[in-house]
Amino acid sequence: QQQVKQSPQSLIVQKGGISIINCAYENTAFDYFPWYQQFPGKGPALLIAIRPDVSEKKEGRFTISFNKSAKQFSLHIMDSQPGDSATYFCAASGTNSGYALNFGKGTSLLVTP
Amino acid sequence: DAGVIQSPRHEVTEMGQEVTLRCKPISGHNSLFWYRQTMMRGLELLIYFNNNVPIDDSGMPEDRFSAKMPNASFSTLKIQPSEPRDSAVYFCASSPTSGSGKTQYFGPGTRLLVL
Repeated sequence: QQQVKQSPQSLIVQKGGISIINCAYENTAFDYFPWYQQFPGKGPALLIAIRPDVSEKKEGRFTISFNKSAKQFSLHIMDSQPGDSATYFCAASGTNSGYALNFGKGTSLLVTP
Repeated sequence: DAGVIQSPRHEVTEMGQEVTLRCKPISGHNSLFWYRQTMMRGLELLIYFNNNVPIDDSGMPEDRFSAKMPNASFSTLKIQPSEPRDSAVYFCASSPTSGSGKTQYFGPGTRLLVL
């Protein structure tokens, strides 16, 4: 059973545009929501993360928006660059399920020049 | 630090053979995770260890899979006998200490193909 649902499955954005990836979860015990970035042939790497006590977190061109009541969170990539082309995974974890990450199925992002 | 080290990087084997995947976590990290990645199911947690002790193995598909962590610097994931449906990329990840919110650092993965 997929505990974190992610959309879209794939995304094509022009250079300079905004990339938006959405995730939803059901388990209200989740208290940590990271986004991982994965390039072909590599392992996932942490990009940015948020806890539910804040509604937004920004690091450079990357922003997480979090809506606790709707149990949704999203990743915004501003001024998208070809180097951002990768697969992005949202995830969630909580103390009552240990700290294992429950991943979304991933979004393949292609930023065209 | 060299990061999480996994070996082999690629493994091709025939159905029925035993496969052993190896992982060396980042020094000082107390938690180790094994994940499997496939197109159909995405990234799935198989098992995780805390201080070398298996905490949750509910993600292990069946008895053909087993994992060990004999010491803080080494873990193995064994498949015996292997089947074509086990073909996937297997990742090892480690994190410092325990608790929710600790960054997990992933290795480069082992790409397994079972013929």
